[in-house]
Amino acid sequence: AQSVTQLDSQVPVFEEAPVELRCNYSSSVSVYLFWYVQYPNQGLQLLLKYLSGSTLVESINGFEAEFNKSQTSFHLRKPSVHISDTAEYFCAVSEVGGSNYKLTFGKGTLLTVNP
Amino acid sequence: DAMVIQNPRYQVTQFGKPVTLSCSQTLNHNVMYWYQQKSSQAPKLLFHYYDKDFNNEADTPDNFQSRRPNTSFCFLDIRSPGLGDAAMYLCATSGDRNVQPQHFGDGTRLSIL
Repeated sequence: AQSVTQLDSQVPVFEEAPVELRCNYSSSVSVYLFWYVQYPNQGLQLLLKYLSGSTLVESINGFEAEFNKSQTSFHLRKPSVHISDTAEYFCAVSEVGGSNYKLTFGKGTLLTVNP
Repeated sequence: DAMVIQNPRYQVTQFGKPVTLSCSQTLNHNVMYWYQQKSSQAPKLLFHYYDKDFNNEADTPDNFQSRRPNTSFCFLDIRSPGLGDAAMYLCATSGDRNVQPQHFGDGTRLSIL
């Protein structure tokens, strides 16, 4: 079984400041890793994913995350945030192979960007 | 261009009155999922279909059932809603069990009076 820990439940930052949302996972097998974003009263949207290959993955809106196998982490970063980035962010994992249909989510981090 | 569509977006029902939430998809994905998400919590998987093969999570209450009449549609039936069932219900799809990610709809927010 796998688990996901998002260390910060809330992260307030000022506009144009950098931000890091932390995610650590635990699993006995290899995993796929995801970040989802949820805006108020909406569903989850995939922000970025790590399946294999380069450990640094990027999204189209300036977020990036780096898979660190030794530290079992997949932290999300953005060098300069906008007001519109205010949302809940969920880190999730699924096991490679087998019955990996199931996503295990962290509890989420609420990012609030203030002017 | 919505690919996973949930109706209605907001649903109000009375305590104990059966309610059905619907989900449709235009992605032709063979896996469909239902999640329950309570305020400030992560989504919790209730069950999923792989084609017509139904898979229930061990801790999903018997009060929750699902139907998938065809590839495009999936329904969540709550037979006797209690106050604790008030939540956002999210539908998601994926192309294959072993291929992620999941694509989510915008959810149905269920309120119980």
